Amino acid sequence: DAKTTQPPSMDCAEGRAANLPCNHSTISGNEYVYWYRQIHSQGPQYIIHGLKNNETNEMASLIITEDRKSSTLILPHATLRDTAVYYCIVRVLIGNTGNQFYFGTGTSLTVIP
Amino acid sequence: DVKVTQSSRYLVKRTGEKVFLECVQDMDHENMFWYRQDPGLGLRLIYFSYDVKMKEKGDIPEGYSVSREKKERFSLILESASTNQTSMYLCASSSRLRTGELFFGEGSRLTVL
Repeated sequence: DAKTTQPPSMDCAEGRAANLPCNHSTISGNEYVYWYRQIHSQGPQYIIHGLKNNETNEMASLIITEDRKSSTLILPHATLRDTAVYYCIVRVLIGNTGNQFYFGTGTSLTVIP
Repeated sequence: DVKVTQSSRYLVKRTGEKVFLECVQDMDHENMFWYRQDPGLGLRLIYFSYDVKMKEKGDIPEGYSVSREKKERFSLILESASTNQTSMYLCASSSRLRTGELFFGEGSRLTVL
């Protein structure tokens, strides 16, 4: 039972904003949304995370809808090095000590020169 | 520099062999995870552990076992490797903090002949 749903692939022109959508309609109130990306043959790398409010860091912005059922990762000025698979993840807390990260199948973003 | 280290980047084993995949983290994290990654299927959780000697089944535990005798080390064991276990295996760790991110190793690509 997938916790997140993402489009399988997207293209973006170099220098333009890349907007990657994610649906997480079954998310619970205390579950965070995380975004990671994976460049071929490497382990996934953290980009950003959020709970309710929009977040921004040096890599990207995360926009979460008010009902928290979907979110969008924005790469403001995509470069060729941003070509990667992007994963939207829901982090579930388990009791007081554990947590589990549910990955979807990801979106393969290709930045076109 | 924080690190999750997987013992082998590439392994080739024969059907029926016992396989050990080792993972060590230097961040004093409570939670550790083993995922496998296959084309078109994203990352799927095999097992996770939220404390020493504790383990929990993920989504696809069949054919695998794990060991966590020390906090920094989480081992994945294939008791009798089969060809359908040919895959990329990713180890990860996180703190138990509510906003702790997931740190990944570089992955171990296992081929079972």
